[in-house]
Amino acid sequence: AQSVAQPEDQVNVAEGNPLTVKCTYSVSGNPYLFWYVQYPNRGLQFLLKYITGDNLVKGSYGFEAEFNKSQTSFHLKKPSALVSDSALYFCAVRDRGPGGSYIPTFGRGTSLIVHP
Amino acid sequence: GAVVSQHPSRVICKSGTSVKIECRSLDFQATTMFWYRQFPKKSLMLMATSNEGSKATYEQGVEKDKFLINHASLTLSTLTVTSAHPEDSSFYICSATYMTGNQETQYFGPGTRLLVL
Repeated sequence: AQSVAQPEDQVNVAEGNPLTVKCTYSVSGNPYLFWYVQYPNRGLQFLLKYITGDNLVKGSYGFEAEFNKSQTSFHLKKPSALVSDSALYFCAVRDRGPGGSYIPTFGRGTSLIVHP
Repeated sequence: GAVVSQHPSRVICKSGTSVKIECRSLDFQATTMFWYRQFPKKSLMLMATSNEGSKATYEQGVEKDKFLINHASLTLSTLTVTSAHPEDSSFYICSATYMTGNQETQYFGPGTRLLVL
């Protein structure tokens, strides 16, 4: 079975400071990992994904995420936060091993609040 | 990136009526679409997986007769909430799987806010 944990319900950061939104995962095989962002009353927007290759993945809006296999983590980062980054962020994992579930599993979401 | 649309974006209906929500992949063909329900400040709850030309696969606890899903073509899936009640009020989001080579990514629609009075 696959699972995703986002340990923080909310992350607060001052504008201009670096931000990190944490995600850890558990899968039986090698993972596909995703980050999505959701603005109020909107659907989810794809930010970035890790399939294979470089552990540091760059995505939309200046976000990046680092895949760490030993720590089973895929934390989302941005060097300098903007107030407009305030939103709900979801991490998702899909097991790509033989017999792995086709459907991604989502974390419960982390609300990012960037203060002016 | 791939675009997924939903219609309507917002609907208000009376208790006992049925509501149909459409999900379309605008610039790609999606063999698989997913329907989610999201409660306020909560994560996504997968309701069902919709495959083109076959019956949808429902998650445990989701009533098939209550939430009818039809995937008539590779670009369209519909969710019909039958005999809606106030407890069905929620934010419904669809997603479609976009394949590039052997890699896949889910792209989400903008969501439909349903309010049942």
